[in-house]
Amino acid sequence: EVQLVESGGGLVQPGRSLRLSCAASGFTFDDYAMHWVRQAPGKGLEWVSGISWNSGSTAYADSVKGRFTISRDNAKNSLFLQMNSLRAEDTALYYCAKAPGGNWFDPWGQGTLVTVSS
Amino acid sequence: QSALTQPASVSGSPGQSITISCTGTSSDVGGYNYVSWYQQHPGKAPKLMIYDVSKRPSGVSHRFSGSKSGNTASLTISGLQAEDEADYYCSSYTSFSTWVFGGGTKLTVL
Repeated sequence: EVQLVESGGGLVQPGRSLRLSCAASGFTFDDYAMHWVRQAPGKGLEWVSGISWNSGSTAYADSVKGRFTISRDNAKNSLFLQMNSLRAEDTALYYCAKAPGGNWFDPWGQGTLVTVSS
Repeated sequence: QSALTQPASVSGSPGQSITISCTGTSSDVGGYNYVSWYQQHPGKAPKLMIYDVSKRPSGVSHRFSGSKSGNTASLTISGLQAEDEADYYCSSYTSFSTWVFGGGTKLTVL
């Protein structure tokens, strides 16, 4: 069974940093691109970032470009999101998702909550 | 990277069919057959319902179908059931090599 388990969320002050992790199991991790998608409280889904199977290609939403960095460790079946210069508007539940065909997201983890507040 | 446009809400009675639209531009929905749809129940993670415009993953009911015309994609749910009540989101690949979601549609089963 494919499992994605996010961790690393929490309460952080504006301007500080946080690193999210996503532990993957149940599939050959290094065969697939992976993504981060977030959902602010009571709001819709927002794609954040994606990374190819071999880390050769990364992409970011304009809202996080230059502040967030996506990475992966295929040896440890793990996906990461380094979030710097955090803002109040980054407050959200952050999901990691597998991209089996490249352009859709399935499955999703249960998410880790990031709250940016002083 | 503007969000795709979905109606805020739709409703239907059990057994009826409903359609949720998802409107983008030629740089996303209209330019690629890479539209996907997700169902999200309260407090739960999103679930893939349709990918590549009209393909249904194994395990998803045949009552769910997808289509596209120009810059607008659509999700149709036939034979509406109480369990279908949820939020639905469309997503598309874009010409900027990014992905974009719609604002979401709340489906109410009357």
